[in-house]
Amino acid sequence: DTGVSQNPRHKITKRGQNVTFRCDPISEHNRLYWYRQTLGQGPEFLTYFQNEAQLEKSRLLSDRFSAERPKGSFSTLEIQRTEQGDSAMYLCASSQQGTQETQYFGPGTRLLVL
Amino acid sequence: QQQVKQSPQSLIVQKGGISIINCAYENTAFDYFPWYQQFPGKGPALLIAIRPDVSEKKEGRFTISFNKSAKQFSLHIMDSQPGDSATYFCAATFRGGYQKVTFGTGTKLQVIP
Repeated sequence: DTGVSQNPRHKITKRGQNVTFRCDPISEHNRLYWYRQTLGQGPEFLTYFQNEAQLEKSRLLSDRFSAERPKGSFSTLEIQRTEQGDSAMYLCASSQQGTQETQYFGPGTRLLVL
Repeated sequence: QQQVKQSPQSLIVQKGGISIINCAYENTAFDYFPWYQQFPGKGPALLIAIRPDVSEKKEGRFTISFNKSAKQFSLHIMDSQPGDSATYFCAATFRGGYQKVTFGTGTKLQVIP
C-alpha cells in the first residue's frame, strides 16, 4: 500500500500525559498537512509543511502542540500535557505541488484523553 | 467562524434515488471546491471537485452544481447505492499556493435497499 499511513491508529492516554503521532506521506509528495476532526465535524486545518519547512500553523495549534517534518519525509505531531478537549481524530494528508493538486488523507489517529 | 455551511446533517435515501447535499460559502476568494467521501475508520477521499468558472461538473453518478452569484454549490448522487453510504464533506480552498482546505460539517448519507 503506497498511500498515506499514520501510527498509531488509536491512542488512549490520561490527562497530562504527552503523546506523539507519526505520519508517513506518499513518498514523492513534498506537501504535508495535519488536520483535526472532532465527532460530527469536518476536519480542521492545523498546520502545513512544504518539504521540511513548517509554513503555516493554525491558531488551533496551541503551544502544547508541536509538529516536525525532519528531512521532508515523515512528520510527527506531539501534544504535551494532554487535555480532554484534545480528544479527536488527527488526520494527515499529503500532496505533490502542482496544478492538479490533490490531497490524499491517511486513516487518522484517534486520540482519547481520559 | 464557519466559512462553509453544509446541509442536511443526515440523509436517508432509497436505493436508486437521488441524494442531494447543499453547501454555501462566505469567502469569495475561494476558487476550488472539492467534495470528500469518508467511510468509518478511514480518512476523507477526494470524490469530485469544481472551479467557480464552471456551473456544473459530472463524473459518473456524481454531479456538482455551482452557483457563483449565490455562493452555493451542491452534490447530486444519481441512482444512489448502498455502497454510497458514507459521510460527505463539501470543502473550499485556493488553487494558488498550498491547499488549506476548509471543510463543511458533513452529511451522513444512508442508502437503504
